[in-house]
Amino acid sequence: AQSVSQHNHHVILSEAASLELGCNYSYGGTVNLFWYVQYPGQHLQLLLKYFSGDPLVKGIKGFEAEFIKSKFSFNLRKPSVQWSDTAEYFCAVNARSNAGNMLTFGGGTRLMVKP
Amino acid sequence: EPEVTQTPSHQVTQMGQEVILRCVPISNHLYFYWYRQILGQKVEFLVSFYNNEISEKSEIFDDQFSVERPDGSNFTLKIRSTKLEDSAMYFCASKLSYEQYFGPGTRLTVT
Repeated sequence: AQSVSQHNHHVILSEAASLELGCNYSYGGTVNLFWYVQYPGQHLQLLLKYFSGDPLVKGIKGFEAEFIKSKFSFNLRKPSVQWSDTAEYFCAVNARSNAGNMLTFGGGTRLMVKP
Repeated sequence: EPEVTQTPSHQVTQMGQEVILRCVPISNHLYFYWYRQILGQKVEFLVSFYNNEISEKSEIFDDQFSVERPDGSNFTLKIRSTKLEDSAMYFCASKLSYEQYFGPGTRLTVT
């Protein structure tokens, strides 16, 4: 079974600061990797995904993530955060071999950006 | 842009009562899912549904839970006899290939 851990539960940054949220997963096979964002009062939205190819993936709103296979990591980054990035961020994986592709989520990181 | 919708947005029920949570997935999607998030905890997988049958389910999805796609558009989650610990946000999701699209969730409160 796969598992996902996110190391930071709460992060507080000032606007224009750089962001890096950690995500590590545990699974013996090939995975697809995702970052979802949940803005206050809204539903989960996909920020970016990695299936194969270039391990540096770019998503919406200036976010990017790098898949490092040797470290089982998929950290999320943004060079300069904005107040509107205040949200909860979830890393998720699914096993590529599983046709049903259930997602396993990390515990989430709550980001607050101070104006 | 098409989206997954869920009703109701908030459901309050008494312990022991049956509840049905409704979802309308994106119309051309083939896989359907239910997840739940207990307050302060992780989003947890409950069940996946494909080709009119359950393809995978978690340990949480016991005999008290059932899913149905009664009319080709709705996808429902039924909890037969709710317990206090069923209080959570329930998310429906659907996908065509690899990307799952989530609905806004139904907050279930069991009193």
